[in-house]
Amino acid sequence: NAGVMQNPRHLVRRRGQEARLRCSPMKGHSHVYWYRQLPEEGLKFMVYLQKENIIDESGMPKERFSAEFPKEGPSILRIQQVVRGDSAAYFCASSPPTGQGGPSLHFGNGTRLTVT
Amino acid sequence: SQQGEEDPQALSIQEGENATMNCSYKTSINNLQWYRQNSGRGLVHLILIRSNEREKHSGRLRVTLDTSKKSSSLLITASRAADTASYFCATDDFNKFYFGSGTKLNVKP
Repeated sequence: NAGVMQNPRHLVRRRGQEARLRCSPMKGHSHVYWYRQLPEEGLKFMVYLQKENIIDESGMPKERFSAEFPKEGPSILRIQQVVRGDSAAYFCASSPPTGQGGPSLHFGNGTRLTVT
Repeated sequence: SQQGEEDPQALSIQEGENATMNCSYKTSINNLQWYRQNSGRGLVHLILIRSNEREKHSGRLRVTLDTSKKSSSLLITASRAADTASYFCATDDFNKFYFGSGTKLNVKP
């Protein structure tokens, strides 16, 4: 009965490299959310996905950031050509299909990205 | 933006005292939720209150909701050192969840 699994827990990238963050939702959950958190701040919504669909990406920067949730496998948040300002904790959360025990979110423990 | 905002930003109390945190939001909501975050970890759901409810209890937690004032409060009674964490309110807008900046609670033993 695993919870939301994120990996890696810590990721260090040099400026200009790519960062790939993975999230496996809880079993039976079909909704995935990505949030970004800077130190001492709240969570900023980035994107909301269902299997093979991006439902809302209004919180995603227009460039360099992309997200997917394929039919098989984890959800991926991809940051291309990282810059120092991308350093943050990135949290993934999942929820069951609408009307099935929701609407609360179950969070992973985050990936802490450090850009050097 | 519907984002909730918590108040105070930080709260320090002695073990055994009650802790009250407030949340204000801007537009109409379906429900409001409170989450807790321990340092370095993800958020954990504590309690949900629907827009047609005024008060809800869960163990040592008591949540109130005043939709006319667009505000909610979270009361933790008889606090313990283990309650030390950040607490966030979240509003729900068609399955998008918006979080405030949180209240950092420190319970001194």
